[in-house]
Amino acid sequence: NAGVMQNPRHLVRRRGQEARLRCSPMKGHSHVYWYRQLPEEGLKFMVYLQKENIIDESGMPKERFSAEFPKEGPSILRIQQVVRGDSAAYFCASSPPRRQGDYEQYFGPGTRLTVT
Amino acid sequence: AQSVTQPDIHITVSEGASLELRCNYSYGATPYLFWYVQSPGQGLQLLLKYFSGDTLVQGIKGFEAEFKRSQSSFNLRKPSVHWSDAAEYFCAVAISNFGNEKLTFGTGTRLTIIP
Repeated sequence: NAGVMQNPRHLVRRRGQEARLRCSPMKGHSHVYWYRQLPEEGLKFMVYLQKENIIDESGMPKERFSAEFPKEGPSILRIQQVVRGDSAAYFCASSPPRRQGDYEQYFGPGTRLTVT
Repeated sequence: AQSVTQPDIHITVSEGASLELRCNYSYGATPYLFWYVQSPGQGLQLLLKYFSGDTLVQGIKGFEAEFKRSQSSFNLRKPSVHWSDAAEYFCAVAISNFGNEKLTFGTGTRLTIIP
């Protein structure tokens, strides 16, 4: 069973361009979470999605950021008109539906975005 | 809102020595508690987790953690560290909210191992 896949692993964008980050959850997992890690900081929750639904986007910046998890295909985190402050590592995690007394999120290797 | 505090930004330990990394959380009830490890340029790997029951939990790579409700703490320990343990360690909590188990992370503790 392959783990959580993220691509690209590294992405360089100039200010004003768009960045698209992709996440394929583990097989059988229908829940996807996106987190952002700024340099020298911990991970911060951005958004939680299930298939075709955004459940919680309380951690997403109000402008320029959007996320989707379509019925078919990977989850996409989209950043429009990137600025230098968007440079960070973006991690995706997936989980199966929660079972009584057990829970775990499985993390992908991350996409490191550099805005020049 | 819940919060997680890791008071030690950087810890240096000699190889073979014991290790304890501190984690305190703020929440009214008992959350789900996790420790993750991150090697440079890599993703996060789960070391161990606590939901309920025995307050001393065993994880991978010889790590263990103890949940202390009275202190709102979940400290990570290892009796004898190896050079390969050098990494960043993150404590995290999840508050189950209608099936939304988003994680709140501490700022991390960077572990350096010296010979």
